[in-house]
Amino acid sequence: KAGVTQTPRYLIKTRGQQVTLSCSPISGHRSVSWYQQTPGQGLQFLFEYFSETQRNKGNFPGRFSGRQFSNSRSEMNVSTLELGDSALYLCASSGRTYNEQFFGPGTRLTVL
Amino acid sequence: SQQGEEDPQALSIQEGENATMNCSYKTSINNLQWYRQNSGRGLVHLILIRSNEREKHSGRLRVTLDTSKKSSSLLITASRAADTASYFCATDPYSSASKIIFGSGTRLSIRP
Repeated sequence: KAGVTQTPRYLIKTRGQQVTLSCSPISGHRSVSWYQQTPGQGLQFLFEYFSETQRNKGNFPGRFSGRQFSNSRSEMNVSTLELGDSALYLCASSGRTYNEQFFGPGTRLTVL
Repeated sequence: SQQGEEDPQALSIQEGENATMNCSYKTSINNLQWYRQNSGRGLVHLILIRSNEREKHSGRLRVTLDTSKKSSSLLITASRAADTASYFCATDPYSSASKIIFGSGTRLSIRP
């Protein structure tokens, strides 16, 4: 089985711009979770989608949003980028919610 | 604040020695998982232990769970250079608004 893929792998944006990150889960997995990882805050849960529905959301501002398509692929969007949004964004898929998660390689976002 | 806190934050040992990392959490859980992350890459699932289990083994890994103390430990025996990585515990809290929560991680360095 192909693993979780994330695109793009690296991204450089400037403050105020918006960005869309994409995640393709393992075939057959219906749960997709997103995380933000920074040196200061560690790994923080952003949101989880299951069958196109957002089931849980972490403590992030409304600038962070996501969606899941019928093929389970997911996107997350960050609008009005701030310097503090610079991070590694990780996507993980699971066959069942909150069981073993399979992570993608991440998207490294740098906001200048 | 983080649900899971790893201890120690950093650990450096000689190749061949055993490494022990601890994780404490705050609320009741459905399960606890351990993940490994090589520098700047995605996380790899190591082992999942359910709340009704006390110990689990996988190869050179041994995980214990003490729900009365809300703590878990990960033991890596006969460490190898390739074990150098960050290790995270992740809890699935037992609540209606559950979301998997990662600890702050332990950075393990194996000296040759």
